[in-house]
Amino acid sequence: AQTVTQSQPEMSVQEAETVTLSCTYDTSESDYYLFWYKQPPSRQMILVIRQEAYKQQNATENRFSVNFQKAAKSFSLKISDSQLGDAAMYFCAYRSAAGAGGTSYGKLTFGQGTILTVHP
Amino acid sequence: DTGVSQNPRHKITKRGQNVTFRCDPISEHNRLYWYRQTLGQGPEFLTYFQNEAQLEKSRLLSDRFSAERPKGSFSTLEIQRTEQGDSAMYLCASSTRGTVNNEQFFGPGTRLTVL
Repeated sequence: AQTVTQSQPEMSVQEAETVTLSCTYDTSESDYYLFWYKQPPSRQMILVIRQEAYKQQNATENRFSVNFQKAAKSFSLKISDSQLGDAAMYFCAYRSAAGAGGTSYGKLTFGQGTILTVHP
Repeated sequence: DTGVSQNPRHKITKRGQNVTFRCDPISEHNRLYWYRQTLGQGPEFLTYFQNEAQLEKSRLLSDRFSAERPKGSFSTLEIQRTEQGDSAMYLCASSTRGTVNNEQFFGPGTRLTVL
């Protein structure tokens, strides 16, 4: 079974600064997807960024980027130019590439989450 | 369509009562997932539907839990004889083969409090 670990229960950053959230995972699979989700205080989960394990290039979405180290099974999220609206709980998640057509059926395995506070 | 909807948003019940939650996925999505999230933790997978077929259930889904998706559209999650340990946020997500990497879109959740 896959596991996802987020070792930082809480992080804080000053507005306009950069912060990095850590995530490690354990799997015996070679092909999979990794995600970072944001859950604001309103509690609706929003996808921030995704990474396909077969791609060596790190994913980037505007101010959000990842550092994907497949051999180390590490998947960190960097938020640049932090904004007050970035304050939320962030979850790292794993999904097998077998997807909904395979035995994993596309379920997500989440880490414990990191609460990000942004100070003005 | 504005996204995945869940009702009710909040439910308070007494221990031993039965409760039922509803999830309406995005209309063209044939895949539907239920997750449970306890306070301060990440969501945990409960069960998965492809159309009306329930294809996977987690060991977390005890005999007191049952989920249905009778016509492959909305889904219901019922908890019988609720216990205080059932208090959690119940999240529903949907996806379809047409979305990039089968991305799952989440609903706002139903927060259950068992007194």
